[in-house]
Amino acid sequence: NAGVTQTPKFQVLKTGQSMTLQCAQDMNHNSMYWYRQDPGMGLRLIYYSASEGTTDKGEVPNGYNVSRLNKREFSLRLESAAPSQTSVYFCASSFPGPRNTEAFFGQGTRLTVV
Amino acid sequence: QKEVEQNSGPLSVPEGAIASLNCTYSDRGSQSFFWYRQYSGKSPELIMSIYSNGDKEDGRFTAQLNKASQYVSLLIRDSQPSDSATYLCAVDGEEYGNKLVFGAGTILRVKS
Repeated sequence: NAGVTQTPKFQVLKTGQSMTLQCAQDMNHNSMYWYRQDPGMGLRLIYYSASEGTTDKGEVPNGYNVSRLNKREFSLRLESAAPSQTSVYFCASSFPGPRNTEAFFGQGTRLTVV
Repeated sequence: QKEVEQNSGPLSVPEGAIASLNCTYSDRGSQSFFWYRQYSGKSPELIMSIYSNGDKEDGRFTAQLNKASQYVSLLIRDSQPSDSATYLCAVDGEEYGNKLVFGAGTILRVKS
């Protein structure tokens, strides 16, 4: 049982380049999240998907786009990378509801934009 | 006011002592509260969840929730050097669109 799988684990981009971070979960969860983590800032929500075909902006969506391809997969795209997007990115998934259940996290993607 | 607030620390405690970690939140409608532990360079892992006022114990960990005061805490008894990590408080609520919102985390250091 793999849980939440993110690829790649590490990436270096030049300013202006684009890339897609991939995330897949095998726990049949409906909700999926993309967070970024910067020193001293905790986890900040970029985008959220409550179910297949739906996405919602989080706290810091600018410069990002997402696709909920199916129930398992939720990708994050940087169209034109900027140094301010240097961060560690985490994908997570959970069951939604009146009470959220625990969220499971992928291993993270460490992205550097130079 | 941030939605979920934690003291960034570091909180230093001697081995064997009780570590007390605190978190306040802004949405009175929040229903789910979580504590995650994150080791350096690793992803967060859930250690406690609590949904009702009062205490919930699991081994050396006790989560305490006071919805009237909008306050949730985590106590770690008999602290061990292996407990040294960043502890993240997470809360959901209608104000947050039922999404999980995290605090900035508290760094805990347990000295042997």
